[in-house]
Amino acid sequence: EVQLVESGGGLVKPGGSLRLSCAASGFTFYNSWMGWVRQAPGKGLEWVGLIKSKAGGETRDYAAPVQGRFTISRDDSENTLFLQMNSLKTEDTAVYFCSAIVKGTPSNPFFDYWGQGALVTVSS
Amino acid sequence: DIQMTQSPSSLSASVGDRVTITCRASQSITTYLNWYQQRPGKAPKLLIYAASSLQSGVPSRFSGSGSGTDFTLTISSLQPEDFATYYCQQSYNTPPWTFGQGTKVEIK
Repeated sequence: EVQLVESGGGLVKPGGSLRLSCAASGFTFYNSWMGWVRQAPGKGLEWVGLIKSKAGGETRDYAAPVQGRFTISRDDSENTLFLQMNSLKTEDTAVYFCSAIVKGTPSNPFFDYWGQGALVTVSS
Repeated sequence: DIQMTQSPSSLSASVGDRVTITCRASQSITTYLNWYQQRPGKAPKLLIYAASSLQSGVPSRFSGSGSGTDFTLTISSLQPEDFATYYCQQSYNTPPWTFGQGTKVEIK
């Protein structure tokens, strides 16, 4: 059974940093592209970023609002995805979902598995 | 970046109704279009990928169609568990892979 479990959420002051983790199991993590999607309170889904597998060059892409402040990384030996968030702003307050492309392929990508989300609150 | 626009933003329907949600892309995305369902307080769930392919385990009352810039999600006979918010997402070429703003399906 595929499982994605986020951790590391919490309350942080504007300008602060936080690191989210996503523990993955039940699929071939090292071969899968992984992503983060967020949802501000009462709002829709917002794509945050993607990291490809090592075979895909482990390249990273980010949404414009987080470019330069957020960094996605992965530890294939621990089947864990990370989201390092720096210079946090109040508008970064959201539930952050970890997502995986398992059945999808690089030529036909879609997020077919999702974690339950981690709440990040940025407030003074 | 490619913009995705869904319509309507919300709708009211009854159990058994046929429901159609539309998603339009700001440029051609061929068939790189996915649909997700999200119930309150839950993670999104993949329903349709590549515009018209039904994800394993998803009831056959859900279907998707379209290509280029215009896409449709249809629920042939709305069930109580289908009251949720639905999002389209494009995964064309280089990210960002943007989402539509969502369509909330409510009970009439």
